[in-house]
Amino acid sequence: KQEVTQIPAALSVPEGENLVLNCSFTDSAIYNLQWFRQDPGKGLTSLLLIQSSQREQTSGRLNASLDKSSGRSTLYIAASQPGDSATYLCALLTSGSRLTFGEGTQLTVNP
Amino acid sequence: ETGVTQSPTHLIKTRGQQVTLRCSSQSGHNTVSWYQQALGQGPQFIFQYYREEENGRGNFPPRFSGLQFPNYSSELNVNALELDDSALYLCASSHKRETNTDTQYFGPGTRLTVL
Repeated sequence: KQEVTQIPAALSVPEGENLVLNCSFTDSAIYNLQWFRQDPGKGLTSLLLIQSSQREQTSGRLNASLDKSSGRSTLYIAASQPGDSATYLCALLTSGSRLTFGEGTQLTVNP
Repeated sequence: ETGVTQSPTHLIKTRGQQVTLRCSSQSGHNTVSWYQQALGQGPQFIFQYYREEENGRGNFPPRFSGLQFPNYSSELNVNALELDDSALYLCASSHKRETNTDTQYFGPGTRLTVL
């Protein structure tokens, strides 16, 4: 059974800081890994998707990496802004097309 | 191209009642997945429908059931509601191809409160 762990559970940083969110998983038999953003009480917004054959993806100030052999992914956010405050979830697509999610990292960026 | 929509936005029910949640998939998508997200937790997979048939189920009891219609929209039905069913219910649509690398696009969710 796939288990996904996200560390830290919560993070508070000053505006402008670069930061890294971590995601680890137990089963490397994945099709892809996605990072999502969730604002309070809202649905999920996909930020980046990394196919299992890829090592990283970039979109603007965001960079996500994937290391299947060690069961780890990181989401790097450069020059953080207050608007980046949200919960960030990583999710793995496994056989059966089901996504397995971590419990998220709640990020607060202070002005 | 319209995105994934869900209705209603919010719903309040009492224990023992039944509820139906609805999801309209994104144009061109043939697969709908449902997830339950309790407060402070990550979403949990309930089940998936592909071409009107259940195509995988998570660890949820039979009182959670679903349907997919010919236009690929979907319903989630929950019978005999329990307090622990209070959660945000998320629907995601995707287009299933021969490979399983289908990206899922999420709707805004339905917030269900059971009193």
